[in-house]
Amino acid sequence: NAGVMQNPRHLVRRRGQEARLRCSPMKGHSHVYWYRQLPEEGLKFMVYLQKENIIDESGMPKERFSAEFPKEGPSILRIQQVVRGDSAAYFCASSPVPGYGYTFGSGTRLTVV
Amino acid sequence: GQQLNQSPQSMFIQEGEDVSMNCTSSSIFNTWLWYKQDPGEGPVLLIALYKAGELTSNGRLTAQFGITRKDSFLNISASIPSDVGIYFCAGQREYGNKLVFGAGTILRVKS
Repeated sequence: NAGVMQNPRHLVRRRGQEARLRCSPMKGHSHVYWYRQLPEEGLKFMVYLQKENIIDESGMPKERFSAEFPKEGPSILRIQQVVRGDSAAYFCASSPVPGYGYTFGSGTRLTVV
Repeated sequence: GQQLNQSPQSMFIQEGEDVSMNCTSSSIFNTWLWYKQDPGEGPVLLIALYKAGELTSNGRLTAQFGITRKDSFLNISASIPSDVGIYFCAGQREYGNKLVFGAGTILRVKS
């Protein structure tokens, strides 16, 4: 596992559809973070998860957005009933211990048409 | 909410020149990080600072954690074309906590 793997790299959805973004952390990393980046802005924190637990979801919109990090498999960021304003780059990062040694993936660029 | 003010917004410099950018905050951070982001990629960590007053170098890059814990700067010496990209500062209040990012400095280099 060379790094944090995110897929798909690009995702196009029509308004009202669901978007599922996947993140496989680096080997040995059990802490996953999701960030959103709007064009020409910095990254904004969304959610911090450990295996099977949501630790901090203070940056998640209250509706339509959810995240999970199951015991087996990748972390999933799910956006239901997407709207144009959800168009952004979504980045996942992982770390071996809380908040230290973050490594970011290459991101998923979501376009809502 | 927490906010980092990063400046300048953009720089267009001659190859070989030195570059300086900084971040300030109204809140104290316990960790300051500097990242570089290339188009279509995720941020890559350049330098991490964990102690107030700390000065750390990584090749041509030097960064400092301000004594007040409310600011940090990044210097790049003798810039080269591959330094082009967007540089972000990020602060962390507690270990394990989220990162707060600045809006970025776009660096362009004329060769």
